[in-house]
Amino acid sequence: DAGITQSPRHKVTETGTPVTLRCHQTENHRYMYWYRQDPGHGLRLIHYSYGVKDTDKGEVSDGYSVSRSKTEDFLLTLESATSSQTSVYFCAISEQEQRAAFFGQGTRLTVV
Amino acid sequence: GESVGLHLPTLSVQEGDNSIINCAYSNSASDYFIWYKQESGKGPQFIIDIRSNMDKRQGQRVTVLLNKTVKHLSLQIAATQPGDSAVYFCAETGGGGADGLTFGKGTHLIIQP
Repeated sequence: DAGITQSPRHKVTETGTPVTLRCHQTENHRYMYWYRQDPGHGLRLIHYSYGVKDTDKGEVSDGYSVSRSKTEDFLLTLESATSSQTSVYFCAISEQEQRAAFFGQGTRLTVV
Repeated sequence: GESVGLHLPTLSVQEGDNSIINCAYSNSASDYFIWYKQESGKGPQFIIDIRSNMDKRQGQRVTVLLNKTVKHLSLQIAATQPGDSAVYFCAETGGGGADGLTFGKGTHLIIQP
């Protein structure tokens, strides 16, 4: 899995609670991404980072924030989880722009 | 809006036959395309990529064909094996920038014994 670790792998949380998912890489890649995967929608980009402290929004960023304080870690935060955020979340890394991204194993999040 | 999609949600093939999975894209600025394989419970796994200045690229048992005229991409898997059972996604990026990949919704490849 290209040196990518996501944690936790599974989480159940209650509506309205904050949740943070962590992505850790050992490849020293510049670009990091958070996607969510839902039936009927495929993989959709939430946020991405093109360097330490450099992040930007993706297609479905509402309700999510990210932080990248060091190259190897990219955090995704749900400030107040909602049931619509129940999904499988994937982190991906890429060495350069216009290059394939390599994915982690995913985090299954259930908001009840 | 611009999108990447797949023609068939499920493809069933006999073991040993060749598989062809198709993908249509609509963003004319797309210049880099990737095929991923995703097995149940796992993250997408890179298979092969192709840039828009090529129309064919081969890997081990896989070939990707790109037809820019009709904005069509295909993945051919030779001598399909049980381990090829998975969902296959095409993805594209283009127009510059680091804003990630746009994915199709996936084709589920089922291998019949």
